[in-house]
Amino acid sequence: DSGVTQTPKHLITATGQRVTLRCSPRSGDLSVYWYQQSLDQGLQFLIQYYNGEERAKGNILERFSAQQFPDLHSELNLSSLELGDSALYFCASSTRFGSVRETQYFGPGTRLLVL
Amino acid sequence: AQKITQTQPGMFVQEKEAVTLDCTYDTSDQSYGLFWYKQPSSGEMIFLIYQGSYDEQNATEGRYSLNFQKARKSANLVISASQLGDSAMYFCAMREGGDYGQNFVFGPGTRLSVLP
Repeated sequence: DSGVTQTPKHLITATGQRVTLRCSPRSGDLSVYWYQQSLDQGLQFLIQYYNGEERAKGNILERFSAQQFPDLHSELNLSSLELGDSALYFCASSTRFGSVRETQYFGPGTRLLVL
Repeated sequence: AQKITQTQPGMFVQEKEAVTLDCTYDTSDQSYGLFWYKQPSSGEMIFLIYQGSYDEQNATEGRYSLNFQKARKSANLVISASQLGDSAMYFCAMREGGDYGQNFVFGPGTRLSVLP
């Protein structure tokens, strides 16, 4: 158990819908990352927050957004869902942000299926 | 250009044998960190081992060791005495210096299958 929690574990929804994925980082970690893992694209970095502020954006679609709240939990919002958004979405948290020794600890992931 | 290359999409190893999973990386930074993660079929990503670019000794964690060859820019994972539970995807990752999230990059992964 990494100490990172993600809910829900599974999500089945229809095209065009909107969903929210939630992540709680490890105690003491200020940095949260979101990743998308699909069969054909591998592990894709989406976005990163540090202590409530957005710090980096990767291959995140405009239909997707995220935020980190004062209690450091984070939410990833996916809207106007398409079949291709079906994937495993990971949240990871880390300490030592900005250091090459930064280790990311991953949550169990949310498996999203868009029908 | 790919920052992390894992040239073995799939590997097989006999139970109790040792196996080496290859990873090469590309960076112009002098200071960087290298990581290996395991992803079993259940899906979670498990941190295995870390190697710093300035670490003089190869990292070891139980049955996992990292064969770090800085001049060749390689950071191969060695699993000794393979077990059936080692069957999983293995990802190599690199963290360069700086405070941007995109400095943490993953390779495409190697699927390891341990045969009884």
